[in-house]
Amino acid sequence: GENVEQHPSTLSVQEGDSAVIKCTYSDSASNYFPWYKQELGKRPQLIIDIRSNVGEKKDQRIAVTLNKTAKHFSLHITETQPEDSAVYFCAARKGDGGYNKLIFGAGTRLAVHP
Amino acid sequence: DGGITQSPKYLFRKEGQNVTLSCEQNLNHDAMYWYRQDPGQGLRLIYYSQIVNDFQKGDIAEGYSVSREKKESFPLTVTSAQKNPTAFYLCASSTPQLFNEKLFFGSGTQLSVL
Repeated sequence: GENVEQHPSTLSVQEGDSAVIKCTYSDSASNYFPWYKQELGKRPQLIIDIRSNVGEKKDQRIAVTLNKTAKHFSLHITETQPEDSAVYFCAARKGDGGYNKLIFGAGTRLAVHP
Repeated sequence: DGGITQSPKYLFRKEGQNVTLSCEQNLNHDAMYWYRQDPGQGLRLIYYSQIVNDFQKGDIAEGYSVSREKKESFPLTVTSAQKNPTAFYLCASSTPQLFNEKLFFGSGTQLSVL
């Protein structure tokens, strides 16, 4: 079955710097890759997602890139702010939904220091 | 902060006791899910339901049971057979068009063993 590995497990940056979180997946049939953000004590929320028919997607300060050949995808946060501090989870899923489950990575705890 | 509501926020279980976690949504979503979150691990799927009166086991269903008698409700029972129940439990829902895609999460229940 699908396996998703996420690195690093913790990341500390200074405010204004960029942050990059990387995930690798094992099933080449996976075609949907979302990223969820979970602030301390709050529920996870979808922040961006990408499908396998595109290589990059941007939304303001966040972007996700996908390399299907290498089977990895990354979250990029530019101009980090203290409110970006949270745990970020990547996930992968194959097919068109249905009974194909989302498989989550272990999470990255990002700390942005003022 | 409506949408999907979990209760209680904190729950304590005595040895040999069954406990039930509540999950209610007013988003008119057909699909609902239960995930378990342990420190340093990703979200793991316990059970999911695509429609009323139907549900499927996820990756770690042993020791858990669910019911889906109403569209709005998807309670999770942690039975005495679950030997390591201490974890943070998250309920989620999604539209049928975005099944296993954009998940809306509840705020979670922290279950601890006395």
